[in-house]
Amino acid sequence: NAGVTQTPKFQVLKTGQSMTLQCAQDMNHNSMYWYRQDPGMGLRLIYYSASEGTTDKGEVPNGYNVSRLNKREFSLRLESAAPSQTSVYFCASSGQGSGEQFFGPGTRLTVL
Amino acid sequence: GEDVEQSLFLSVREGDSSVINCTYTDSSSTYLYWYKQEPGAGLQLLTYIFSNMDMKQDQRLTVLLNKKDKHLSLRIADTQTGDSAIYFCAETKYNTDKLIFGTGTRLQVFP
Repeated sequence: NAGVTQTPKFQVLKTGQSMTLQCAQDMNHNSMYWYRQDPGMGLRLIYYSASEGTTDKGEVPNGYNVSRLNKREFSLRLESAAPSQTSVYFCASSGQGSGEQFFGPGTRLTVL
Repeated sequence: GEDVEQSLFLSVREGDSSVINCTYTDSSSTYLYWYKQEPGAGLQLLTYIFSNMDMKQDQRLTVLLNKKDKHLSLRIADTQTGDSAIYFCAETKYNTDKLIFGTGTRLQVFP
């Protein structure tokens, strides 16, 4: 079991460029999440998906889109990156009703 | 609001006890959690407590919950250098699997 995997680990973009962050889990979890982590602000939920085919906005969705491609994969897309999106991005997943979330290792994104 | 608040830093000597505090807002939260984040890694669940409990002990970890004051604490006995990390408390948002995380407390253990 790999758990939750994320790619890439690091990325540098120029303002206006686009990219997709990939996330996959092999635990057969229904729910998946994308967070960003900024110093002194903890983790903030960007988008989540309660089940395959559904997605909902979290606390800070502006500038992002997501796709729940299948039960395993949940991708996060930045269409036009901005310096304010410089952050560490974490993907997580959880089973039905458990509350415990399993996190990937993170993607460190810098937007110049 | 949905703020879960923690102090940002805590520094303790190796062998002492550490107490990390958290205040939360949603009195309907079913579970409250403590997660640990080591440098360069994602978060890992340390322990959790049901909202109808007031204490839970798990080896060196003791969680105390005061529902009246919406206050949660994590006590680490005999703190070791390997305990140096960021600790996040989190509450469940009512009737969902979503978690609301605190800002995190960076614990530094010195010899």
